[in-house]
Amino acid sequence: AQSVTQLDSQVPVFEEAPVELRCNYSSSVSVYLFWYVQYPNQGLQLLLKYLSGSTLVKGINGFEAEFNKSQTSFHLRKPSVHISDTAEYFCAVSDNRGSTLGRLYFGRGTQLTVWP
Amino acid sequence: NAGVTQTPKFQVLKTGQSMTLQCAQDMNHNSMYWYRQDPGMGLRLIYYSASEGTTDKGEVPNGYNVSRLNKREFSLRLESAAPSQTSVYFCASSRLTGGLGNEQFFGPGTRLTVL
Repeated sequence: AQSVTQLDSQVPVFEEAPVELRCNYSSSVSVYLFWYVQYPNQGLQLLLKYLSGSTLVKGINGFEAEFNKSQTSFHLRKPSVHISDTAEYFCAVSDNRGSTLGRLYFGRGTQLTVWP
Repeated sequence: NAGVTQTPKFQVLKTGQSMTLQCAQDMNHNSMYWYRQDPGMGLRLIYYSASEGTTDKGEVPNGYNVSRLNKREFSLRLESAAPSQTSVYFCASSRLTGGLGNEQFFGPGTRLTVL
């Protein structure tokens, strides 16, 4: 089974500052990678995903993530955050082959809080 | 197009009571999933249904049962609720039966408290 580590449980930043949310995964096979966002009292919605091709993936709301196979990382970045980006962010990985095809394995989440 | 819907939104049970959480999707997706979310634990898969007519255990299936009623509906049943099942439950669906990085779409969640 896959495992996903989100290295920071909480990240506080000031508005308009850059932010990076870190994610590492453990896998010896090819994977698909996802970042989801959860606003308070809501379900999860997809920010971006990496399937193949370019290692820099752009998502909604100005977020982007870079896939680094050698470091098994998929860190999420935004150059300038807004108060409305305050939410919990989840990194997830999915096998692209095998008996667990399609299942998502989630990290424990990173709470991003943007202060004015 | 409502996406993934869940009922109820909130529920309070006493220990030992039973209940069924309902989930439906209108996106013609093949696969459906039930997760629970607990503080600091992320989302953990309870059961999933890769396609109509099949169900499989996830990471934390104990104390739960599921039914894939048809392609649209996937219910989660707690036969004898315990305080450890206090959680937020999310249903999700995805288009393909695995593979091709299929995105999962999530419902709004059911907040369950077991006293």
